[in-house]
Amino acid sequence: QQQVKQSPQSLIVQKGGISIINCAYENTAFDYFPWYQQFPGKGPALLIAIRPDVSEKKEGRFTISFNKSAKQFSLHIMDSQPGDSATYFCAASRSGSARQLTFGSGTQLTVLP
Amino acid sequence: EAGVTQFPSHSVIEKGQTVTLRCDPISGHDNLYWYRRVMGKEIKFLLHFVKESKQDESGMPNNRFLAERTGGTYSTLKVQPAELEDSGVYFCASSPSRLSGTQYFGPGTRLLVL
Repeated sequence: QQQVKQSPQSLIVQKGGISIINCAYENTAFDYFPWYQQFPGKGPALLIAIRPDVSEKKEGRFTISFNKSAKQFSLHIMDSQPGDSATYFCAASRSGSARQLTFGSGTQLTVLP
Repeated sequence: EAGVTQFPSHSVIEKGQTVTLRCDPISGHDNLYWYRRVMGKEIKFLLHFVKESKQDESGMPNNRFLAERTGGTYSTLKVQPAELEDSGVYFCASSPSRLSGTQYFGPGTRLLVL
């Protein structure tokens, strides 16, 4: 049973467009929601993270929107650039545990020049 | 500051052989995690160390997998004997504190069992 469901599996966006990736979770005990960016041959790198006490967090062109009642969160990449082409993973973890991350299945983003 | 390093970057072995993966966390990070991504699936948690102690190994698939963390520094993950379904990318991550939740990942070891 996958606890964090991510969509879409792949996404193609034109340069300058907005990329939107969605995730839904089941475990209401989750209290930390990071997004990771992974380039080919590299490990996942933390991009931005949010906790459920806020509904939105913005860092540069990257924004997380969080809907606690719907148990959903999304990543918005504004003014998408070819250099943003990568695989994006949402994840979640909870306190009182090893803080292990439960990942979504990943989204392959391609930004066309 | 050096990041998380993993060795080897790639390993190709035959079914039944033994492979040992190594992870060097960021210096000073007490928390060390192992994860695995099997082809096309999500990245899944394997186990967690705090210093040299295993805190949670609930994600270890079976007793063919053995993880150690000598002196609370680097960690090894041994697969013995390897099976075809063990193929995938094995990631190591480290964290200075469980409270923050932030984990820093290594580049991974790509394991192919033939």
